[in-house]
Amino acid sequence: TQLLEQSPQFLSIQEGENLTVYCNSSSVFSSLQWYRQEPGEGPVLLVTVVTGGEVKKLKRLTFQFGDARKDSSLHITAAQPGDTGLYLCANTYSSASKIIFGSGTRLSIRP
Amino acid sequence: DVKVTQSSRYLVKRTGEKVFLECVQDMDHENMFWYRQDPGLGLRLIYFSYDVKMKEKGDIPEGYSVSREKKERFSLILESASTNQTSMYLCASSTWGTGTNQRLYEQYFGPGTRLTVT
Repeated sequence: TQLLEQSPQFLSIQEGENLTVYCNSSSVFSSLQWYRQEPGEGPVLLVTVVTGGEVKKLKRLTFQFGDARKDSSLHITAAQPGDTGLYLCANTYSSASKIIFGSGTRLSIRP
Repeated sequence: DVKVTQSSRYLVKRTGEKVFLECVQDMDHENMFWYRQDPGLGLRLIYFSYDVKMKEKGDIPEGYSVSREKKERFSLILESASTNQTSMYLCASSTWGTGTNQRLYEQYFGPGTRLTVT
């Protein structure tokens, strides 16, 4: 069974600071998605990365896929209170259309 | 934009009641999913469906059943609700891609139903 580990589990930082969260697996990802979930809502897809070494930017968010496609990181520059939420990474699961989710990083940005 | 809607945001039911959770998507997606989300346990897949009238068990199907009579609608049924089924229930849909289409497996979620069983 593939396992996705996310770290840190919790992160609380001051507005304006930078941060990085991580997603790791012992298996090679076919593709990897990042989602953000705000309290009381469903997860919302942020990005999909497919190619080893790929870097994608979404405003202040930078997503990186490891060269070996076994890890990924999400870097947020100048964090804002609106970035608060649960960040989930997810990977395809065997040959079906199911995906598996990591347990998430809960991010809190203090004004 | 893909829209996935769930019939209720909050639901309170009694132990032993039969509970229906409805999910509708408007993007003609082939695949639909039901998850539950609990603190410390993350998202766990209950059932999914890749076509009308087709269903497959996920990781925690016990105590649940599903129905997909139309492509856009996927229902989750708790045959006899129990207190350990108190949870946040999330529905999602996705489409198949072709070849290296990276949109394959990207899931679009509804807002969730917070179910409390007393």
